[in-house]
Amino acid sequence: LAKTTQPISMDSYEGQEVNITCSHNNIATNDYITWYQQFPSQGPRFIIQGYKTKVTNEVASLFIPADRKSSTLSLPRVSLSDTAVYYCLVAFGDSGGYQKVTFGTGTKLQVIP
Amino acid sequence: EPEVTQTPSHQVTQMGQEVILRCVPISNHLYFYWYRQILGQKVEFLVSFYNNEISEKSEIFDDQFSVERPDGSNFTLKIRSTKLEDSAMYFCASSDGTGTVNYGYTFGSGTRLTVV
Repeated sequence: LAKTTQPISMDSYEGQEVNITCSHNNIATNDYITWYQQFPSQGPRFIIQGYKTKVTNEVASLFIPADRKSSTLSLPRVSLSDTAVYYCLVAFGDSGGYQKVTFGTGTKLQVIP
Repeated sequence: EPEVTQTPSHQVTQMGQEVILRCVPISNHLYFYWYRQILGQKVEFLVSFYNNEISEKSEIFDDQFSVERPDGSNFTLKIRSTKLEDSAMYFCASSDGTGTVNYGYTFGSGTRLTVV
């Protein structure tokens, strides 16, 4: 599985846009990029997934450059409730069946009033 | 949105005792997983389960651990003789095996195990 590298922590003020970048230099052709969010004492929760270019849902946007060696999670206008740990994961996309998801250390986002 | 349900939410046990953590995966999912997270550390893979057998396990998942799907809905993790270092949050997850992890890989809210 491709290894990912992301900042350990970030601070942001409420209402600002937050961009968290993850590098995954060894991403394989059939790997997808997925971001999870985890609040204290809760299980990881899926945020967004993409393969290339840009993906947007009601929660976030995901930007993936053409070489796919990095990705950026963008959270628009964060609020205090967005304070959490954000994990970038790279996993098999279209292989089907069993997948083991491997978590890195994640980025701890602290939103400041 | 379908959920993975875990019980109990918090379990306190004495060292050396056996504990069983229970999970109800999403009903049409075929693949089941256990992860753990020691306080302040990252989420670690323990074991995956498919077609009534273990498909992969980590070095953490030693002989003290076992998993079972006793009926059509439950998926359990048993720790035979708990140690202090087993204290952690234990997360169950399930996936539908369609390929991508997009909505196909869902975690429960976890069981906090405290060994005293």
